[in-house]
Order: sequence, then structure tokens, then C-alpha cells
Amino acid sequence: AQSVTQLDSHVSVSEGTPVLLRCNYSSSYSPSLFWYVQHPNKGLQLLLKYTSAATLVKGINGFEAEFKKSETSFHLTKPSAHMSDAAEYFCVVSTTRAAGNKLTFGGGTRVLVKP
Amino acid sequence: DVKVTQSSRYLVKRTGEKVFLECVQDMDHENMFWYRQDPGLGLRLIYFSYDVKMKEKGDIPEGYSVSREKKERFSLILESASTNQTSMYLCASSPTGTVKETQYFGPGTRLLVL
Repeated sequence: AQSVTQLDSHVSVSEGTPVLLRCNYSSSYSPSLFWYVQHPNKGLQLLLKYTSAATLVKGINGFEAEFKKSETSFHLTKPSAHMSDAAEYFCVVSTTRAAGNKLTFGGGTRVLVKP
Repeated sequence: DVKVTQSSRYLVKRTGEKVFLECVQDMDHENMFWYRQDPGLGLRLIYFSYDVKMKEKGDIPEGYSVSREKKERFSLILESASTNQTSMYLCASSPTGTVKETQYFGPGTRLLVL
């Protein structure tokens, strides 16, 4: 079975400061890992994904994440927060099923960006 | 761009009503999914479909059914709505369902059951 734990339910940062969203996972197999973002009243949008190539993954809007197998972590970072980064972020692990891939979501981290 | 649309953004229904939520994707994807989203729980899979007329239960199928008569359309049915089904419902699709594949999400339907 697989599971995802997002270690912070809320994160508050000032505009221009770094953002760190923490994610730990457990999976029986080599996982594919994703970060999705959900802006208010919008659907989920893919930020980035790890699929067993480079362990440092770059995504959209300046976000990146590092896959660390020894720590079973996939933390999301951004060097400098922007007001438009205020949203909810989901860490997701994907495993295969007999038919179709199955996504397991973390509980989400809501990011507040202060001016 | 992949587009996934959902028939309603907001719905208000009464306990015991039969509720239909519709989802349409325009990219000829094989797989379609229904999730519900609740605060602190992330998204949980209700049902998914890997082909027309084919479906598989997700993690929380109780109280729900689905229908996929055409490849582009996937319907979620609440046979007899209950207050504990008040939630945000999100539809998604993906091309073939491999483990590395991105799922594309619709904007969601916020359902209130009174």
C-alpha cells in the first residue's frame, strides 16, 4: 500500500522569501511522484513530476522538488515566493493497477503569502 | 491543451434525491476518474473507468455509481444523496493510465446536500 504525508497543513511566507513544502511517502514499488497546485475555485494543475530520471525535478513557475529515496521524501521548494503562489498544494504518489494508474494524495498544504 | 469540463460548478440538492454529475474530456483519453475532495483529506478516488462501459471501484465507492457510455463522458451518480456526501467532486482524465502519466483535472463541482 502507498501513502503520502504532507507535514504541514498550512505554511505562511512573506513575498520574496523561500517556500518549503514537505512531503514524505511510502510505496511498495519505485514510485512516480507529483506535485499539483489548486488555486481558489480552480481545478488541480500539475506543477512537476518525478518518474525515475533526474532526482532534482524542475517545474512551472520556478518550483522544484528533490526525490530522496533514502529519506522517502519529495519536498517542494521555490527560492522566492510571489503573491500568486497563494494556493493549496498536493503531493501525490502514483502506482500502477491492473487497469489504470492510481493516485494517492496527501492531505494538502495551504500556502499564504504575505505582502 | 487538454480540457476537462464538469457540468456544474455548484449544486444544491435535498437528502434522498438522485444526483448526476457529468464530466467531459476532449482529448480522446482512455482513462477517466472521479474524486471527492474534503479538507485535510486531500482527494480520494471514488471510481475510475479505463474504457467505455468499463469501471473499477476506487477507495470510497459506497453510495456512488458511475456510467461511461461514450469515451469522452463519465458520469457520477449519487443514488440517494445524503448529507455526508456534501463535498467537492473532481473529475480527471489521462491518456492510457500508465504510472508516470499526468492526470488532467476539471474545475470541480461543489455539492451541498441539505
